[in-house]
Amino acid sequence: DQQVKQNSPSLSVQEGRISILNCDYTNSMFDYFLWYKKYPAEGPTFLISISSIKDKNEDGRFTVFLNKSAKHLSLHIVPSQPGDSAVYFCAAGGFNSGGGADGLTFGKGTHLIIQP
Amino acid sequence: DSGVTQTPKHLITATGQRVTLRCSPRSGDLSVYWYQQSLDQGLQFLIQYYNGEERAKGNILERFSAQQFPDLHSELNLSSLELGDSALYFCASSVVDRRQYYNEQFFGPGTRLTVL
Repeated sequence: DQQVKQNSPSLSVQEGRISILNCDYTNSMFDYFLWYKKYPAEGPTFLISISSIKDKNEDGRFTVFLNKSAKHLSLHIVPSQPGDSAVYFCAAGGFNSGGGADGLTFGKGTHLIIQP
Repeated sequence: DSGVTQTPKHLITATGQRVTLRCSPRSGDLSVYWYQQSLDQGLQFLIQYYNGEERAKGNILERFSAQQFPDLHSELNLSSLELGDSALYFCASSVVDRRQYYNEQFFGPGTRLTVL
C-alpha cells in the first residue's frame, strides 16, 4: 500500500511558466514532508521541506503548500528554468519516540521537463 | 557533492551470488539509511543504523543485512541474489537535530546492481 503517491509520472512546462507538482499521502502521522530533486546517475538532493503543522513554506523560486485535510501537498516552481528539468520526489517522514528519525517514505517521482 | 560516498558505483553479478555495498556517511552524521530504487517500486526504505546500532527496518528482505562499523561507515550485504534484486541502492546519512522540524537526509550517488 503506497502511503505517498505522485500520480503524474511526467510533466512538461514551458520555460518561464509555473510548474506545479502534486503529491498525496495517506498516513496522517507524518511529521514533515520534503521534496527531493534527482538527476540521472546522481542521488536525490534535498530541495525544500514543510512541517505537518504549517501550510506553506517558501524558498526562492520554490514554494510548498500543504493541505492536511486533503492529505495533499504541492510544489510550485516559479519561474521554471531549463535547469529545473529533473525527477522530483515527494517524501514524508517522522520523528520516533526514541529521539531519532524514521526512514523516509517516497513517492515514485514526477519527471519535470522544462521546454524552451 | 552531498559528502556521502558509496562504492562501488556499478556491480554486475550472477543469480545466487552475494555482494557487499559500502557507504561512508557525511562527517559527523551518526545515522545511516539504506534505500532501494527499482523501476516499479520507486525509492524504498530498507534499514537504518544509528551509531552502530540498528534502529529501524523497512521493506528489507531476510536475504539482506547491514551493519555500521565504529568508524560509522556502513555495509549492505545482499545474498542469494535474484534477478529482481537488480536496482539502484542508495545510502543516506543525517544528523538528527530535534531543534529542526524535519530530518534532512543526504544521499550518496548510489550503487547500480545488475543481477544476470
